[in-house]
Amino acid sequence: EVQLVESGGGLVQPGGSLRLSCAASGFTFYTFNMGWVRQPPGKGLEWVSIVSPSGDRTYYADSVKGRFTISRDNSKNILYLQMNSLTAEDTALYYCAKRSPATGAIDSWGQGTLVTVSS
Amino acid sequence: EIVMTQSPVTLSVSPGERATLSCRASQSISNKLAWYQQKPGQTPRLLIYDSSTGATGTPARFSGSGSGTEFTLTISSLQSEDFAVYYCQHYNNWPWTFGQGTKVEIK
Repeated sequence: EVQLVESGGGLVQPGGSLRLSCAASGFTFYTFNMGWVRQPPGKGLEWVSIVSPSGDRTYYADSVKGRFTISRDNSKNILYLQMNSLTAEDTALYYCAKRSPATGAIDSWGQGTLVTVSS
Repeated sequence: EIVMTQSPVTLSVSPGERATLSCRASQSISNKLAWYQQKPGQTPRLLIYDSSTGATGTPARFSGSGSGTEFTLTISSLQSEDFAVYYCQHYNNWPWTFGQGTKVEIK
């Protein structure tokens, strides 16, 4: 069974940093594209970033480009999201997402970790 | 960036009735479209990918259609567990984007 368990969320001041982690199990982590999707409270979904299986290709939403960095450790089956220069607009539930091998659809989601940016 | 627009924002339907949800892309995305269901307090769940292919576990009452810029998710006979928010998402090219969602509520 696929399991994605996020951690690292919390309350941070504007301009601060956080690093999210996603521990993956139940599948061959190193063969799948992985990413982060966020959802502000009471709002819709937004793709944040995605990384290739080997980690050599990364993509970011314009809203986070230059501030967020996605990475992965295939030896530990962990996905990361380093978030810098946080603003109130980054407040959201951050989901770890596994991309379906044949499409761009997300076939597995974590439960999410809440990031709150506030003074 | 491709903008995905869903309509209606809210759909009021009686149990047993048919529901039709629409999703429009601002430019052609071929069939690179997925539909997700999200119930309150829950994680989104993949229903349909490649516009019309049911994901594992998706009930047969859910069907998807369309290509290019116009897409439809149809729920043939609404069950109580189907009242939720539905999102479309394209994956034709990065950045992949979601529609704003359609809330299906009990009439």
